[in-house]
Amino acid sequence: DADVTQTPRNRITKTGKRIMLECSQTKGHDRMYWYRQDPGLGLRLIYYSFDVKDINKGEISDGYSVSRQAQAKFSLSLESAIPNQTALYFCATSDFRANEETQYFGPGTRLLVL
Amino acid sequence: QQQVKQSPQSLIVQKGGISIINCAYENTAFDYFPWYQQFPGKGPALLIAIRPDVSEKKEGRFTISFNKSAKQFSLHIMDSQPGDSATYFCAASYGNTGKLIFGQGTTLQVKP
Repeated sequence: DADVTQTPRNRITKTGKRIMLECSQTKGHDRMYWYRQDPGLGLRLIYYSFDVKDINKGEISDGYSVSRQAQAKFSLSLESAIPNQTALYFCATSDFRANEETQYFGPGTRLLVL
Repeated sequence: QQQVKQSPQSLIVQKGGISIINCAYENTAFDYFPWYQQFPGKGPALLIAIRPDVSEKKEGRFTISFNKSAKQFSLHIMDSQPGDSATYFCAASYGNTGKLIFGQGTTLQVKP
């Protein structure tokens, strides 16, 4: 969905490096989410944000941090990457004001930590 | 612990057949049950969703059946087509929290 964009689309990094994954949306939604997808585990929520000043931990927040720079931008950081953070990462948005629970996902970032 | 359990992990169906994917949940506070469809290289997209006040919801060839007492829900794809080949995820959330708990996913292959 072009309304939710993620950069980079692919990233290879080394253990111990700090990296940032970025998400931007043009849907005007309040809520934004970061998930990781692993084979056999589905998608798991890392962090979510209901507005710029409201950020919450999800199921698996250890080793990750986030920043909500604006309504449209939500970044995920790995402070010191480790190999078991190798995964497919998705950003998503939803519109709370419309009581709409549909989440709209970006195309994903494939991360490999060596 | 996996709050939403999905089966089977993979499924092969002939064109025109019925595809059935099942999910079971533990938390009785869940009140929203969506199914997402994901094609290779893409993010998941909402396919169909149900709330526990109804036992079935149908949209075209896709139907959700919901059994509140058994804490189970399933996706039925009628007249399955090769274009339905994708990974399907069930999910659950509660209280408009937006916190979706996903199942493990089912990879569906529809053979021509």
